[in-house]
Amino acid sequence: SQTIHQWPATLVQPVGSPLSLECTVEGTSNPNLYWYRQAAGRGLQLLFYSVGIGQISSEVPQNLSASRPQDRQFILSSKKLLLSDSGFYLCAWRVSGRAAYEQYFGPGTRLTVT
Amino acid sequence: AQRVTQPEKLLSVFKGAPVELKCNYSYSGSPELFWYVQYSRQRLQLLLRHISRESIKGFTADLNKGETSFHLKKPFAQEEDSAMYYCALSGQAAGNKLTFGGGTRVLVKP
Repeated sequence: SQTIHQWPATLVQPVGSPLSLECTVEGTSNPNLYWYRQAAGRGLQLLFYSVGIGQISSEVPQNLSASRPQDRQFILSSKKLLLSDSGFYLCAWRVSGRAAYEQYFGPGTRLTVT
Repeated sequence: AQRVTQPEKLLSVFKGAPVELKCNYSYSGSPELFWYVQYSRQRLQLLLRHISRESIKGFTADLNKGETSFHLKKPFAQEEDSAMYYCALSGQAAGNKLTFGGGTRVLVKP
């Protein structure tokens, strides 16, 4: 069966420090991968998505970047964190193809920038 | 552009009462609509999708293309239905991106 992992679960980082959040998927090949930020009262905002290795699409201009070095690995990064980067970050995957396919979400990473 | 609107941030109902969560969307093509749910301390997960036309945990949702709505309904709410509910839309564009509404928190009181 397919599983999706995210780490770390929680992270506290000072302003100006770098960031690296990792997401890996098991049990499937060539998935579509997604990074979301969930802010209180604001729902889920899509940050990046990827349809293949090295293919990254950005949805919102911001202080973050994403990379997909391997088929089932998706990384969210920042060179210098801002206070506004605090939030709950979710990774998700789905089978590529039909729009009706379900997205599966990871457990999330709670990031606090101090 | 894809847009999903959930006008209610919080719905509080008593156990056994009906509950309806509103969802309106904006999309120029033929969308796929979903309801996702997040129970306390659990992952966000799919509740139902319009293409399946099924009832899950007593919930149903009908896609009304004329009103561009996909409201979620349950005739008799249970305490275990207390959760955060998100309406979402997927278009046909590359990546099959999901656009989420702002979410509605449902609180079912005993």
